[in-house]
Amino acid sequence: KQEVTQIPAALSVPEGENLVLNCSFTDSAIYNLQWFRQDPGKGLTSLLLIQSSQREQTSGRLNASLDKSSGRSTLYIAASQPGDSATYLCAVGNTGKLIFGQGTTLQVKP
Amino acid sequence: NAGVTQTPKFQVLKTGQSMTLQCAQDMNHEYMSWYRQDPGMGLRLIHYSVGAGITDQGEVPNGYNVSRSTTEDFPLRLLSAAPSQTSVYFCATGQGAGEQYFGPGTRLTVT
Repeated sequence: KQEVTQIPAALSVPEGENLVLNCSFTDSAIYNLQWFRQDPGKGLTSLLLIQSSQREQTSGRLNASLDKSSGRSTLYIAASQPGDSATYLCAVGNTGKLIFGQGTTLQVKP
Repeated sequence: NAGVTQTPKFQVLKTGQSMTLQCAQDMNHEYMSWYRQDPGMGLRLIHYSVGAGITDQGEVPNGYNVSRSTTEDFPLRLLSAAPSQTSVYFCATGQGAGEQYFGPGTRLTVT
């Protein structure tokens, strides 16, 4: 059974710092891996999707990597801003189904 | 293009009542799915569909029923609500191995 783990559960950093969020999964038979952002009381916003054949994806200050063989993905946020404060979720995908990690709650202090 | 819509946004039910949570998409996506989000448990898959007329169970299907008669709609039915079904419910859609898009959610309280 696929299990997805995110470490750390919470993270607090000063504004401007570069940071890395971690996601690990137990079964490498995945179609893709997707990173989401969730603000309190809101829905999920897709940040980046990495297909199983890809190693990384970039969007603005965000860079996500995927290493299927080791069952790991990282989300790198450059030059963090207070507006980046949110919960970040990773999910591994297979035929339209997603299995989620518990999320990392990020606070960026001004 | 509305994307993924869910109704209602909020609902309070009494134990034993039934109701249907609506999900609609206008992106012609083949996959649709329902998740529930609970504190400490994360998001868990309830039911999913890979196309009209095809549905299957996810991780936590008990107490819920689905059907998919059209590509656009994927309603989730609670047959007899229980307090354990108090949660936030999200509908998602996707195509192939592409991105999954989520609706804004329905916050359900069962008293």
